Order: sequence, then C-alpha cells, then structure tokens
Amino acid sequence: DQQVKQNSPSLSVQEGRISILNCDYTNSMFDYFLWYKKYPAEGPTFLISISSIKDKNEDGRFTVFLNKSAKHLSLHIVPSQPGDSAVYFCAADGGATNKLIFGTGTLLAVQP
Amino acid sequence: KAGVTQTPRYLIKTRGQQVTLSCSPISGHRSVSWYQQTPGQGLQFLFEYFSETQRNKGNFPGRFSGRQFSNSRSEMNVSTLELGDSALYLCASSLAPQGKTGELFFGEGSRLTVL
Repeated sequence: DQQVKQNSPSLSVQEGRISILNCDYTNSMFDYFLWYKKYPAEGPTFLISISSIKDKNEDGRFTVFLNKSAKHLSLHIVPSQPGDSAVYFCAADGGATNKLIFGTGTLLAVQP
Repeated sequence: KAGVTQTPRYLIKTRGQQVTLSCSPISGHRSVSWYQQTPGQGLQFLFEYFSETQRNKGNFPGRFSGRQFSNSRSEMNVSTLELGDSALYLCASSLAPQGKTGELFFGEGSRLTVL
C-alpha cells in the first residue's frame, strides 16, 4: 500500500523555466512533509519541508505547497538550473507510522 | 562534522550468500534507519534502531536483520541472498527517533549486486 505517491517518474524542463514536482498522499494523519534530492552515487539530501499547519514554505528558488483537502503537495523550482537535475523524493511523517514514508521519486532533467 | 558513513560502497555477491553492511551515524545521532532503494520502488523502509533497540520494522522477510551497537554504529545483514536483493542500501541517522524530528541525514549507500 503506497501511502505516498509520485505519479510522474520523470520530468524534463528547460533551464530558466519552472519545474513542478507533484506528490499525493493517502493518510490524513500525516502532519509533516519533506522533499529530498538525490544525485547518482550519493545519498538523498534534505531540501525543504512543510508542516501541515502551513500551506506554503519558501526557501530561495524552492517553494513547497500543501493542499490538505486534496492530500497533495508540490515542489516548485524557479528558475530551474541544470544542477537541479536529480531524483526528487517526497516524504511524509506523522500519524501512527513513526517513520518517514517516501514516494517512488521523480527524475528531473533540466535541459540547458 | 563527519556525515553518515557506509561501508562497503560497492559489493558483488552470489545467490545464497550472506552480506553485512555497516553504517556509522553522525556523531551524537542515536537513531539509525535503513532503506532499500530499487528502480520504481523508491525508498523502502527496512528498520530503525534507537539506543540499540529496534524501534520499527518494515515489510521485509526475516532474511533482513540489523543491530545497533552502544556507539550507535549499525549493521544490517541479509542472509540467503536472492537476485531481487540487488539494490542500493541507504542508512540514515537522526538525533531523535523517526516521527519526532522529520529530517534524516543519509549516507551515500552500499550498492549490492547479487549474481
């Protein structure tokens, strides 16, 4: 049972444009959400997070939006840069799981 | 401050063998979690150890086991290897147990290939 879903396995964007990565979840008890970025041959690194009491969190070029009623969150990267090319994982925390639940990841390719 | 260190980085085994992977967390971190990453499956939670006790376990067969030592270093073991065990095994550490702080710090992983 995949509680956190990233339905787009890959996304290609031109440099300078906006990248939008999407994530859906099923457990309404999740109250904290994170995005991780992973380059090949490296471990995932924390990018940005959002608490369920907020609907938006911004950090430089990265903004995460949370729509609790739709159980949906998205990561916006503006402007996209070639160095942003990586796999992006969303993760959810909270409820009775006592662990982070990760999505399957979206491979972002930013074309120069 | 040193990050999470995993050894070995790469290894090749044959079916039926067993393997032990090691993880040294960030100094001061008491929680160590293990994940399996395979194409299309994302990061699958294996187990978490906190203060030498297994705190949580994912849906993996009993061939997958782990332990944590008093210095917070952790090992995971996979016995009777199968071809499907080929994956990147990631270790992550945090100050507090999962579900309390959110953020995990990952190592670079151990790439296991089973032939």
